[in-house]
Amino acid sequence: DAGVTQSPTHLIKTRGQHVTLRCSPISGHKSVSWYQQVLGQGPQFIFQYYEKEERGRGNFPDRFSARQFPNYSSELNVNALLLGDSALYLCASSLPGQGREQLFFGEGSRLTVL
Amino acid sequence: KQEVTQIPAALSVPEGENLVLNCSFTDSAIYNLQWFRQDPGKGLTSLLLIQSSQREQTSGRLNASLDKSSGRSTLYIAASQPGDSATYLCAVRPGSEKLVFGKGTKLTVNP
Repeated sequence: DAGVTQSPTHLIKTRGQHVTLRCSPISGHKSVSWYQQVLGQGPQFIFQYYEKEERGRGNFPDRFSARQFPNYSSELNVNALLLGDSALYLCASSLPGQGREQLFFGEGSRLTVL
Repeated sequence: KQEVTQIPAALSVPEGENLVLNCSFTDSAIYNLQWFRQDPGKGLTSLLLIQSSQREQTSGRLNASLDKSSGRSTLYIAASQPGDSATYLCAVRPGSEKLVFGKGTKLTVNP
């Protein structure tokens, strides 16, 4: 079975541009979460979606938004890119488990903002 | 606010050595704790998940323990191999929606 898949794997943008990152969860998983990992740091929580509804939001500006589709795939959008948005963006999926379930991560999308 | 600390930040050992990685967290009210492995530039691979009611979990050469009351977890790696070289991340689940991660321990196992 395929794991969590993310696209694109790498991308380069310039300041002020917009980016869309995509994630397909493991088959049967209905919850998707997004994390940002800056070089040398642990991942930071951005969003969680379950059954197409936002269930949690981290401490990120409104330039960050996300959505989940009927097939449970998800998009993360970042507007007005800043140099500090350069990071590895990780998507995780899980079965519903009220917080006790295991999270499975994808390989990430490496974003470089110039 | 939940904070997770991992010590040491980096560790270098000769092949075959047994080793322990440490993780501490500030708030004992957690659902569970998960250990991950991350290779350079790659995503996270889940190693072990310990629920708050459990004391330890084992998978092959890996054993993770959890002492929720003291806010500590350890990851024990037996008979280390060069292929174990990676960054190991500890994460706690303070609520149903997110994980809170430490900065990781970078492990190098020398042949």
